[in-house]
Amino acid sequence: QKEVEQNSGPLSVPEGAIASLNCTYSDRGSQSFFWYRQYSGKSPELIMSIYSNGDKEDGRFTAQLNKASQYVSLLIRDSQPSDSATYLCAVNRDDKIIFGKGTRLHILP
Amino acid sequence: EAQVTQNPRYLITVTGKKLTVTCSQNMNHEYMSWYRQDPGLGLRQIYYSMNVEVTDKGDVPEGYKVSRKEKRNFPLILESPSPNQTSLYFCASSPLRGAKNIQYFGAGTRLSVL
Repeated sequence: QKEVEQNSGPLSVPEGAIASLNCTYSDRGSQSFFWYRQYSGKSPELIMSIYSNGDKEDGRFTAQLNKASQYVSLLIRDSQPSDSATYLCAVNRDDKIIFGKGTRLHILP
Repeated sequence: EAQVTQNPRYLITVTGKKLTVTCSQNMNHEYMSWYRQDPGLGLRQIYYSMNVEVTDKGDVPEGYKVSRKEKRNFPLILESPSPNQTSLYFCASSPLRGAKNIQYFGAGTRLSVL
């Protein structure tokens, strides 16, 4: 089982709709969870961090963490064409940072 | 401006010719890290450092060396590069307090080993 798993996509979502991205992780000892956005040819940039169970909202973005089920998700409300990118899930395990392979999101105008 | 600076941005070299990719951050972060990104394999951590003179292996350390003599610098050294090290490399830094483990990435170094 891979440590951090994401559906590679592409995930196509109409403009204005909600995009839902999911990530599962294998190590129950993971403590910190992150979503990064990466545009083609660019470096990853942080979208959300979440450290405890529940929801965390920041503007159009909501991160959800469920440690019992070992998954973390990212919701993007009112999706915009500029949200088209690859979204990377990352977890912190014993000072190492483990990334998933990313989900490609395509917002349809 | 707070940033992580990598150099060079692009590098073409030949098998066996030693090279160094530099990384510097001006945010006084304790944690620094190197990643490589390959199609289908995602971002994988090569080495990381929790502080000066403290370095640890990530998931793919073979063929790489690092050093952390100063807090701001964390160079990546390829003693004898091979074609399978052709990749896109990112340096990142992170505070260990406050916004813990949030990685701030450099712009990337695209390396081709012929």
